[in-house]
Amino acid sequence: AQKITQTQPGMFVQEKEAVTLDCTYDTSDQSYGLFWYKQPSSGEMIFLIYQGSYDEQNATEGRYSLNFQKARKSANLVISASQLGDSAMYFCAMREGSNAGGTSYGKLTFGQGTILTVHP
Amino acid sequence: DVKVTQSSRYLVKRTGEKVFLECVQDMDHENMFWYRQDPGLGLRLIYFSYDVKMKEKGDIPEGYSVSREKKERFSLILESASTNQTSMYLCASRRHHFYSNQPQHFGDGTRLSIL
Repeated sequence: AQKITQTQPGMFVQEKEAVTLDCTYDTSDQSYGLFWYKQPSSGEMIFLIYQGSYDEQNATEGRYSLNFQKARKSANLVISASQLGDSAMYFCAMREGSNAGGTSYGKLTFGQGTILTVHP
Repeated sequence: DVKVTQSSRYLVKRTGEKVFLECVQDMDHENMFWYRQDPGLGLRLIYFSYDVKMKEKGDIPEGYSVSREKKERFSLILESASTNQTSMYLCASRRHHFYSNQPQHFGDGTRLSIL
């Protein structure tokens, strides 16, 4: 079963407007974390924001915020005041709990990605 | 800033060749990872290493092996390259698995074509 689902293959937004990129996840762990990464056309993966399962507040980093709804198992990324430079692929990823030895702790499972295009 | 360097941005090899993809990080990170990225599938974990000379299989290890002789270097090996291994390969590192809220830092990727 898919652990991380990004249902929007592509999204379009007008410059200066806000946009929400969806991410739903599936896990039976109590302790987990959710990451969002941005991948411009040049290929590098840029870390944007992190939300831990026990964090009571929604994470925010500048223009990025995470709408974390634990009961619904969703962790949507909200980008406010979109800029042309925000055009990129965006990935949601989940870190689940550890194996018995702890060394697998922190393995990431990625969603399929959403291509965001910002129009002027 | 963490720097993860992959040896090649683009690589073209022939079917049956043994292919080496090299990755070096400069931040003394314990954990290193190799992923492949394919359209519509996101990133999939091939192998990871939580310490020198240690390795664990990820979700798609078949046809690949890895080597980590030094802490800063993690190599991905395609033992006998096949066309279905044409893909984008991304290396990543992270400080330590105890700090699981810390992000993985990625290299720029290697676009590998097997002809």
